[in-house]
Amino acid sequence: GAVVSQHPSWVICKSGTSVKIECRSLDFQATTMFWYRQFPKQSLMLMATSNEGSKATYEQGVEKDKFLINHASLTLSTLTVTSAHPEDSSFYICSASLGPSYNEQFFGPGTRLTVL
Amino acid sequence: LAKITQPISMDSYEGQEVNITCSHNNIATNDYITWYQQFPSQGPRFIIQGYKTKVTNEVASLFIPADRKSSTLSLPRVSLSDTAVYYCLVGGSDSNYQLIWGAGTKLIIKP
Repeated sequence: GAVVSQHPSWVICKSGTSVKIECRSLDFQATTMFWYRQFPKQSLMLMATSNEGSKATYEQGVEKDKFLINHASLTLSTLTVTSAHPEDSSFYICSASLGPSYNEQFFGPGTRLTVL
Repeated sequence: LAKITQPISMDSYEGQEVNITCSHNNIATNDYITWYQQFPSQGPRFIIQGYKTKVTNEVASLFIPADRKSSTLSLPRVSLSDTAVYYCLVGGSDSNYQLIWGAGTKLIIKP
């Protein structure tokens, strides 16, 4: 089946630093990749949608200058949390799809970010 | 935008059939209904998707009435490993393919 990996799985950083999270589709080429954030005991919140080679589409309320998304290839998307602060601590999950969001999405295992 | 309501939590026992109902009163004409399963500290996993009537796969069934204002995920003969959060999603029909996630139903299976 389709496998999506994320790296790192867990990261702790100091306030003010930047953190990069990688999302890779291992055995298929993903037309679209999605980035989500999930706080404890809450549902997933879509942050942005990205298509290879084009700028990401951010959801309302998500700061594009703070959460930089690069989708350089059909198998790799990166999310960089710039100047991270404690309130950015969350579980970040990516997913990849062969088409629009209503198609089956294959999710990565998630990245736990803790900002001190 | 569809507003999604699903129970916060449910309990059941091994071997039972579990039905989780999701309410989506203002679903758009072309919206799909999708269910995902999530275990703690893992990404969600696709379970099933439907548009109308009944859809069945190897793990679940999805029942959608004619008015499509609700849907029911049916898990046959659950086991302890089915303990997870189940999310109901609606959407995909607008130009942005926007997908709305429900708050999730925490299903606890007891021995």
